[in-house]
Order: sequence, then structure tokens, then C-alpha cells
Amino acid sequence: AQSVAQPEDQVNVAEGNPLTVKCTYSVSGNPYLFWYVQYPNRGLQFLLKYITGDNLVKGSYGFEAEFNKSQTSFHLKKPSALVSDSALYFCAVRVPYGGATNKLIFGTGTLLAVQP
Amino acid sequence: GAVVSQHPSRVICKSGTSVKIECRSLDFQATTMFWYRQFPKQSLMLMATSNEGSKATYEQGVEKDKFLINHASLTLSTLTVTSAHPEDSSFYICSARPGLAGGLIYEQYFGPGTRLTVT
Repeated sequence: AQSVAQPEDQVNVAEGNPLTVKCTYSVSGNPYLFWYVQYPNRGLQFLLKYITGDNLVKGSYGFEAEFNKSQTSFHLKKPSALVSDSALYFCAVRVPYGGATNKLIFGTGTLLAVQP
Repeated sequence: GAVVSQHPSRVICKSGTSVKIECRSLDFQATTMFWYRQFPKQSLMLMATSNEGSKATYEQGVEKDKFLINHASLTLSTLTVTSAHPEDSSFYICSARPGLAGGLIYEQYFGPGTRLTVT
């Protein structure tokens, strides 16, 4: 079955320190991977994606993610966390859905808490 | 660019009534729109996928007669919760994906969500 796992419900980090939010996936074929961020009572905002090419993907707000095929991981990283980064982060993988349609399967989300 | 709006942002309705939620892509044409449901502190659960001009495809376990989806144009999809009950209270989020002609064939752009409370 195709799935995405985010093993940490919550990640705590001090402002200014590097942060990592973990994501592993299980898909058949080449994975198309995404990270989204959700602030309270808001929809999801796209951060970055991996389709092909360079394993290190840079996205919005200084975030980046590293695709590791051998470990089937796509961890989200940022060199220096900000208090404003505190939010709920979702990893997602695109899977075929029939015909030309595809859909996203989301992980369970990781709450990032950045302490001042 | 790539803005998706939802209306209303919050709605409270009485049990047994129906409520309609609109999802609009404001600056692009969305050939495909998705409707999700999110319970507190949980992930998004895909309810259905709709392509403009055709019937929606519902996920297993989602009642198509209860959650009516209409994707009548390339910029508008509606979700109608019929005969709502308190257990339908949730956060409903739509997303839209541009068509191939838009060049952006991979991202989904999400609306801000609608908080439905059924009393």
C-alpha cells in the first residue's frame, strides 16, 4: 500500500537552532513528494516538492528537504528556526488515482513548536 | 498567483438542514478539485475528487448522497452537506489543481478551509 509516515507528533526546537521534521514514504514507482504547512484554522500552504533531479529541494520561507531514495525519506529542514515557523507540517506523496487523475496521500502531521 | 478561496469560512447550522460550501480558484483554471475533511489534530482525509463537467469520484466510506459535489465550471466547485448531523461537524478544505495548459501539473493549491458546526 502506498503511504506516508511522519513518526513524530511534535518537534520542539529553540529559536535559531536547526530543525528537522521527518517523513518516510512507501510508493511504487518514482515518488512525487510534497511538504505543506498549516497554521491554526487555515488551509495548507505549499512549501516545496520533489519531482526529479537534485535531491536537495529548496522551498518557501527558507525551508529545504532532502530526498533519499535508499532510505525512502524526505525530511524537511531549516538551518535556523523562527518562532513564526511554529505550525503543523504535512508530508504528502502523489499517487495515481485512475486515468490522468492523481491524488495526494498525507502523513499524520507534525506539530513544530519553536521556543523563543 | 494560484489562490483558492472558500466560502463561508465558518458556518453553524441546525441538525437536519443542508449547507453549501463553495471553493473557487481565483486566478487559474482548475480542471480538478479535491475536497478534504480534517478532524482536530488529525490529518486531511480525502473525501472526493471532481473533474470539471463530470461526476465526482468519492473515496471509500464517503456517502455520495450526503456529500454532494458539483464542479460546474473550471473555477468553482461546491460541496453540499445534506441533512447535516452533529457528527458532520468538521473542518472542510478544498484544493484545486491547474490543468496541463497552466504548466503547473503537480501542485494542489488549498483553500483556507470552512469550519462547519452542526448543532
